[in-house]
Amino acid sequence: EVQLVEAGGGLVQPGESLRLSCAASGFNVSRNYMSWVRQAPGKGLECVSVIYSGGKTYDADAVKGRFIISRHNSKNMLYLQMNSLKPEDTALYYCATRDISGYPDHWGQGTLVTVSS
Amino acid sequence: SYELTQPPSVSVSPGQTARITCSGDALPMQYTYWYQQKPGQAPVMVIYKDTERPSGIPERFSGSTSGTTVTLTISGVRAEDESDYYCQSTDTSGTWVFGGGTKVTVL
Repeated sequence: EVQLVEAGGGLVQPGESLRLSCAASGFNVSRNYMSWVRQAPGKGLECVSVIYSGGKTYDADAVKGRFIISRHNSKNMLYLQMNSLKPEDTALYYCATRDISGYPDHWGQGTLVTVSS
Repeated sequence: SYELTQPPSVSVSPGQTARITCSGDALPMQYTYWYQQKPGQAPVMVIYKDTERPSGIPERFSGSTSGTTVTLTISGVRAEDESDYYCQSTDTSGTWVFGGGTKVTVL
């Protein structure tokens, strides 16, 4: 059974850093597309970063230069290093995976990040 | 930056057909995925690769494409289909992009 469990969210002040982690089981993070998708309160979905099976990464313009997505293949973990956090980064952050064929995909339950002074 | 455009809301009576559009310049070159999201829950994929339906998704959900517009159709809408729906595709650089979402209300 595929499971994704996010951790690392919390309350931080503007300008601070936070590292999110996603523990994966039931598949290999190195063989799937892995992404972090966020949802601000009452707003829509936004993919902030994605890492393809070959290792190439892509980031949304809103986080480019501040967030870094990475994975640890032997630990089967996905990470999101978030630097220079802004109030507009406040959101529920989901870890999601999609098979390279396009289906199936799986989502975690999310971890809440709040950026406020 | 690349954008996918969806109508903010669609209202439909039970048993009728709901159509949700998603427009984007790169859609003819990239696959589109559709997600259903209910309050407090993670999104669930209802269509993948433009027209394919995942296992367990009712047959009343279907996807179609025409040029730079893709459409999610819900035939014979039921009360349980009331949700937010998002299209998702990829821009030319490889970044995943979501549409703004469409709230489907069953009257």
